[in-house]
Amino acid sequence: DAGVIQSPRHEVTEMGQEVTLRCKPISGHNSLFWYRQTMMRGLELLIYFNNNVPIDDSGMPEDRFSAKMPNASFSTLKIQPSEPRDSAVYFCASSLGGRGEDEQFFGPGTRLTVL
Amino acid sequence: SQKIEQNSEALNIQEGKTATLTCNYTNYSPAYLQWYRQDPGRGPVFLLLIRENEKEKRKERLKVTFDTTLKQSLFHITASQPADSATYLCAALRSSSNTGKLIFGQGTTLQVKP
Repeated sequence: DAGVIQSPRHEVTEMGQEVTLRCKPISGHNSLFWYRQTMMRGLELLIYFNNNVPIDDSGMPEDRFSAKMPNASFSTLKIQPSEPRDSAVYFCASSLGGRGEDEQFFGPGTRLTVL
Repeated sequence: SQKIEQNSEALNIQEGKTATLTCNYTNYSPAYLQWYRQDPGRGPVFLLLIRENEKEKRKERLKVTFDTTLKQSLFHITASQPADSATYLCAALRSSSNTGKLIFGQGTTLQVKP
């Protein structure tokens, strides 16, 4: 298996533009997580899905952020409009189940820079 | 609020020595703690999980302890090697519910010098 796939790997955009990050989880995994990592705040959970259904989006910072999982093999995280403070590395992770003891497999991340 | 704290200062040790990293948690009692390794420019990679009813867990040169009285987990790497240099993240359940919602610590960067 190729592992969790994320695209793009790098994104540079201007303030106010829409940004869409994409993730393909590991086949057969039932849970998908979106994280954001910055030097100041570390790794923060934004939202997670179980069986394609959003279970908890309490970490989504604002209405500018939205996430979808239309099927078991694809998810998107959208920021509209983007702001400089959204600059961070965004990780997608998947796990076999949604239990706390299940290890999470992370993708390589998307480095977002908003100018 | 629920918090996971790790030493923010980098840990520098000599090759062959044992590295010990600390993870403290406050305001909750996690059922599990997980440890991840993160290399620059890459996503975290799972290393070990320890349950609240386990005092110690080992995997090759790695050892993790879980002290629910001290609210602390220690992560040890014995016979450390330069290839062990990375950032190590501690993570715990955000709540007592059995879901995958993890809170991560800031991570401790380990540098092993030859």
